[in-house]
Amino acid sequence: SQQGEEDPQALSIQEGENATMNCSYKTSINNLQWYRQNSGRGLVHLILIRSNEREKHSGRLRVTLDTSKKSSSLLITASRAADTASYFCVGGSNYKLTFGKGTLLTVNP
Amino acid sequence: ETGVTQTPRHLVMGMTNKKSLKCEQHLGHNAMYWYKQSAKKPLELMFVYNFKEQTENNSVPSRFSPECPNSSHLFLHLHTLQPEDSALYLCASSRGDRGQTYEQYFGPGTRLTVT
Repeated sequence: SQQGEEDPQALSIQEGENATMNCSYKTSINNLQWYRQNSGRGLVHLILIRSNEREKHSGRLRVTLDTSKKSSSLLITASRAADTASYFCVGGSNYKLTFGKGTLLTVNP
Repeated sequence: ETGVTQTPRHLVMGMTNKKSLKCEQHLGHNAMYWYKQSAKKPLELMFVYNFKEQTENNSVPSRFSPECPNSSHLFLHLHTLQPEDSALYLCASSRGDRGQTYEQYFGPGTRLTVT
């Protein structure tokens, strides 16, 4: 299993702005996943990017993966107050996930 | 009912009590997980069941005893807990396969307080 290390630890932006979070991991992965956790909807899977993919989009989310640098980024465009949450990246190399401390995103109305 | 459900949502128990947490998934998955989330600490994986067999015990104290009677149900039996066991306990499910990591679907959690 892979523990991702998210950066920054906390991010505060205004509604409508874009938010970028970065993640690094240490060894080989099959895929990388991003999750979100807030008090309203709990812990939710957002997007999965396979190791042979470089970029993936889902709605307002854009994820990049650079396996040579062992890093990933999550971009949330046109942020909303409802995007306020902790965001976690998790590298998958078997059936287990190991979560890091995450990035706490606060979107101010 | 769809998704992953957990009961109870809140539980307060004394250190000498015995209680059980229940998790049920309606997604047709074959892998189920228990996680512990304490304040200001990363989510910790406790147990993994793959096709009803326990495939991971992450050095969890024996006062936590999991049970997986079938692929849809997972229990966590609790006895003689300590105050430091107070936490949010999350259940998750996913497709089952040792060679791959699939997205996991989480339940709402049980907020446990040990007094």
